[in-house]
Amino acid sequence: AQSVAQPEDQVNVAEGNPLTVKCTYSVSGNPYLFWYVQYPNRGLQFLLKYITGDNLVKGSYGFEAEFNKSQTSFHLKKPSALVSDSALYFCAVSEAAGNKLTFGGGTRVLVKP
Amino acid sequence: GAVVSQHPSRVICKSGTSVKIECRSLDFQATTMFWYRQFPKQSLMLMATSNEGSKATYEQGVEKDKFLINHASLTLSTLTVTSAHPEDSSFYICSAKQGGTEAFFGQGTRLTVV
Repeated sequence: AQSVAQPEDQVNVAEGNPLTVKCTYSVSGNPYLFWYVQYPNRGLQFLLKYITGDNLVKGSYGFEAEFNKSQTSFHLKKPSALVSDSALYFCAVSEAAGNKLTFGGGTRVLVKP
Repeated sequence: GAVVSQHPSRVICKSGTSVKIECRSLDFQATTMFWYRQFPKQSLMLMATSNEGSKATYEQGVEKDKFLINHASLTLSTLTVTSAHPEDSSFYICSAKQGGTEAFFGQGTRLTVV
């Protein structure tokens, strides 16, 4: 069985400050890890993924995430947050590319001007 | 890039009626489509996985006779909520993938049953 935990329901950060959204996972094999962002009443937009290779993955809109196998974590980061980054962020895992995804509970990010 | 379109984006229906939601892959052939349900302020819950030309595989606890899924072509899957009730009101999201690639998500459908 695979699972994802996002320990923070909400993260508040001032505009221009670094943003981190935490994610830990559990999967039996090698993990395929994803981050998505969701704006109100919209579907999910893909931010980035880790399949294999470098542990630091760079994605859309200046976001990046670091895969840490020993800590089974895949935290999302952005060096300088924007007000427009305020949204709901989901971490997801699957055991193979394209297989069904298991989502974390989501973390709401609020970036204040 | 890969585009998945859902229609309608919003629908209001009367209790007891059925409503159909379409999910289309616009620029690729989707061998597999997934249907999710999202309750307010909650995560996505996978309802079912459908492969083109075969019956959908439903997750535990999802009523297959209530949520009818049809994946008749490589670019279209439909979810029909039959005999809808207010508790079926939710945000429904589909995703589609081609072969072993990652899945791409539609924009979602807000269903309100009154």
